[in-house]
Amino acid sequence: QVQLQESGPGLVKPSETLSLTCGVSGFSISSGYYWAWIRQPPGKGLEWIGSIYHSGTTYYNPSLKSRVTISVDTSKNQFSLQLTSVTAADSAVYYCARHKLYGEIDYWGQGTLVTVSS
Amino acid sequence: DIQMTQSPSSLSASVGDRVTITCQASQDISSYLNWFQQKPGKAPKLLIYDADTLATGVPARFSGSGSGTDFTFTISSLQPEDIATYFCQQYDNLPLTFGGGSKVEIK
Repeated sequence: QVQLQESGPGLVKPSETLSLTCGVSGFSISSGYYWAWIRQPPGKGLEWIGSIYHSGTTYYNPSLKSRVTISVDTSKNQFSLQLTSVTAADSAVYYCARHKLYGEIDYWGQGTLVTVSS
Repeated sequence: DIQMTQSPSSLSASVGDRVTITCQASQDISSYLNWFQQKPGKAPKLLIYDADTLATGVPARFSGSGSGTDFTFTISSLQPEDIATYFCQQYDNLPLTFGGGSKVEIK
């Protein structure tokens, strides 16, 4: 069974960098699929942040591209998100997920709430 | 970006009722559409992909249809465990984009 688990600080100060990691079990990242970060502000809809392939190929949402870096560590079977210069608008539940680039998003992590506040 | 417009944003129906949600894309996305169910405090769960294909293990009372710009999601007989918010999402073009959600409640 494929499982994803987000980890990282739940509180980040404004202007600092948000860093999250997604550990994957039950499936090797190197076996294929794309690995995504998706966020959801409390009570609002879903926003795709970006995705990465095991080769390191990345795709980012243009609305966040200047502040986002997604990286992969195949040896640890995990991938990570960095979002710089955060503001309160970046407060959200952050999900990691597995998907076909042009296809279904079939496995999700449970999500982790990140609050941006001083 | 492709805009996904869902309606209604919320609805209330009785157990056993047929429930229909629509999703309209701002441009032709062929059949490149997912539907998700999200219960409070939980991650979204994939129900339907390719607009009309039921994901593994999803009950047959859920169905999807449509192509191009207009799509429909149906629960044929609403059950108490179906209380959730439902989202559509297109994967014809990057960035991947989601509808605003449709909250389904029991009357």
